[in-house]
Amino acid sequence: GQQLNQSPQSMFIQEGEDVSMNCTSSSIFNTWLWYKQEPGEGPVLLIALYKAGELTSNGRLTAQFGITRKDSFLNISASIPSDVGIYFCASGGGADGLTFGKGTHLIIQP
Amino acid sequence: DAEITQSPRHKITETGRQVTLACHQTWNHNNMFWYRQDLGHGLRLIHYSYGVQDTNKGEVSDGYSVSRSNTEDLPLTLESAASSQTSVYFCASSKFRQARNTEAFFGQGTRLTVV
Repeated sequence: GQQLNQSPQSMFIQEGEDVSMNCTSSSIFNTWLWYKQEPGEGPVLLIALYKAGELTSNGRLTAQFGITRKDSFLNISASIPSDVGIYFCASGGGADGLTFGKGTHLIIQP
Repeated sequence: DAEITQSPRHKITETGRQVTLACHQTWNHNNMFWYRQDLGHGLRLIHYSYGVQDTNKGEVSDGYSVSRSNTEDLPLTLESAASSQTSVYFCASSKFRQARNTEAFFGQGTRLTVV
């Protein structure tokens, strides 16, 4: 099946630092989604991207849909403690479920 | 507010038993999905449904079944629970199939332990 390669696998950063993570695929996708999961909870949608080159912000979060339609990145500016969690990229073009990356664990040291 | 709920939140069962996990959504979404989440594998699709009476196999469907008798519910059944099915299970729903609005909204998960 289709696979998404998400990196880095984990990040240990200081509060206030900027964060960048990305997702790549060998396949072309029509949709890129970014989710955040906190312990004991289900993933929550952060940003949805539908057009190649699209750049979308949600507060301190910014995500872009790559021009090749095979990649996407998520940036978090000025990280705060509540940003801790697992961030997943997901992609898919229809209702055949979403394919998820394996996640980036974000850990923030005060 | 519309929502998606899973029950139970935690369950322990014995090997060989049949187990059913419930998923109920009040968004009136056509599409519903079941995923399992395991360390090192992320979220993997088990089964999904486009609407009433429709079910489809996902990436890791062996040992699982679903049925869709109404829009709101998609119960997941483990026919004969195995230790390899110890996992956290997430149900999700989405409104449309194509392009926009394929965003899936997730329940809070069911942690299943098979002993």
